[in-house]
Amino acid sequence: DIQMTQSPSTLSASVGDRVTITCRASQSISSWLAWYQQKPGKAPKLLIYKASSLESGVPSRFSGSGSGTEFTLTISSLQPDDFATYYCQQYNSFPLTFGGGTKVEIK
Amino acid sequence: EVQLVESGGGLVQPGGSLRLSCAASGFTFSSYEMNWVRQAPGKGLEWVSYISSSGSTIYYADSVKGRFTISRDNAKNSLYLQMNSLRAEDTAVYYCARESPGRIYGMDVWGQGTTVTVSS
Repeated sequence: DIQMTQSPSTLSASVGDRVTITCRASQSISSWLAWYQQKPGKAPKLLIYKASSLESGVPSRFSGSGSGTEFTLTISSLQPDDFATYYCQQYNSFPLTFGGGTKVEIK
Repeated sequence: EVQLVESGGGLVQPGGSLRLSCAASGFTFSSYEMNWVRQAPGKGLEWVSYISSSGSTIYYADSVKGRFTISRDNAKNSLYLQMNSLRAEDTAVYYCARESPGRIYGMDVWGQGTTVTVSS
């Protein structure tokens, strides 16, 4: 099984900050990586697919990069609506696996 | 509007069974692959099961293999998860999620979730 490791698990930041979340895969997944945002009591929302493609309707301050085993999600200027938990997920092979999540908190 | 609506969750005793349903609308259900994903209280996301658009290919997480069965009825635009031999560790919110044809875009549409509680 492919293990997905996210860091940090918690991140404290202020509105306007540039934020970077890292996701590492235990083996190469090419670019088959998605990023999701989840707010309390809500379903996850797709932000990025194929490592760097922005889902329709997602603000351009979100961006993804990487391939192989190292990936990053960047929020260029954190907005109040962005305080949430973020998950990476590989869909290179089954079983599909998620990272442990990164909670972005208000500093 | 593209929508997935789960139902069927509830309180069940250990060893019991439940059948979850996911009703799809606003898109051609038969063209899309589907997943069940769960989230235990206060925990992260865990993939549970996948079914191809035709139903011919199915995968399960090891944690549910042999106990859960995924199925779909394309004529009824519905996805199902039959859960047997339930354990306390199956307690979670269960989401159905759509995958694009060819599995290129990740899980782009999610339901609101249905809560399963396994407890005596």
